[in-house]
Amino acid sequence: AQTVTQSQPEMSVQEAETVTLSCTYDTSESDYYLFWYKQPPSRQMILVIRQEAYKQQNATENRFSVNFQKAAKSFSLKISDSQLGDAAMYFCAYSTGANSKLTFGKGITLSVRP
Amino acid sequence: EAGVAQSPRYKIIEKRQSVAFWCNPISGHATLYWYQQILGQGPKLLIQFQNNGVVDDSQLPKDRFSAERLKGVDSTLKIQPAKLEDSAVYLCASSLGRAYNEQFFGPGTRLTVL
Repeated sequence: AQTVTQSQPEMSVQEAETVTLSCTYDTSESDYYLFWYKQPPSRQMILVIRQEAYKQQNATENRFSVNFQKAAKSFSLKISDSQLGDAAMYFCAYSTGANSKLTFGKGITLSVRP
Repeated sequence: EAGVAQSPRYKIIEKRQSVAFWCNPISGHATLYWYQQILGQGPKLLIQFQNNGVVDDSQLPKDRFSAERLKGVDSTLKIQPAKLEDSAVYLCASSLGRAYNEQFFGPGTRLTVL
């Protein structure tokens, strides 16, 4: 069975600084996808960034980038120039090529200090 | 474009009572998901529909939970009878159905079972 592990329950970052959120996963599949979703307080979950396992190049979306280490089964999210609006719960998630359902980690609560 | 709609937003019931949640996905999205998010944990898939057929319901407690998606559009999730451990946020999501497709989430229904 596939598992996603987020071992840090909480992190804090100063506004305008950079923070990295960690995620590891376990799978025997070769075709899979990894995602970071953001869940702001009392608001809907939204996609931040996604990575196809077959791509070696790390995905980037504006201030968000990932460090995908396939051999180590690691998928961390880097947020640059942190903003107050980045404060939220962040979930790492996984899906296989065969089934689009998401397997989520426990999440990490990110707070941003002004 | 309208997002995923869910109702009610909040529900409080006594244990052993019944409850139903409704979801209207994004127009054109063939795949619909129901996730259960217990406080402090990541969402867990309960059931996945492709049009009006069930793709995955392996983690649905079928002795008390049921779901349907009539005409491949709206969906209803029912719990009968509810237990204390069913207290959670029930999230509905929809997507175009491929593993790399973004899932769009509704605001969720927060269920409290007393």
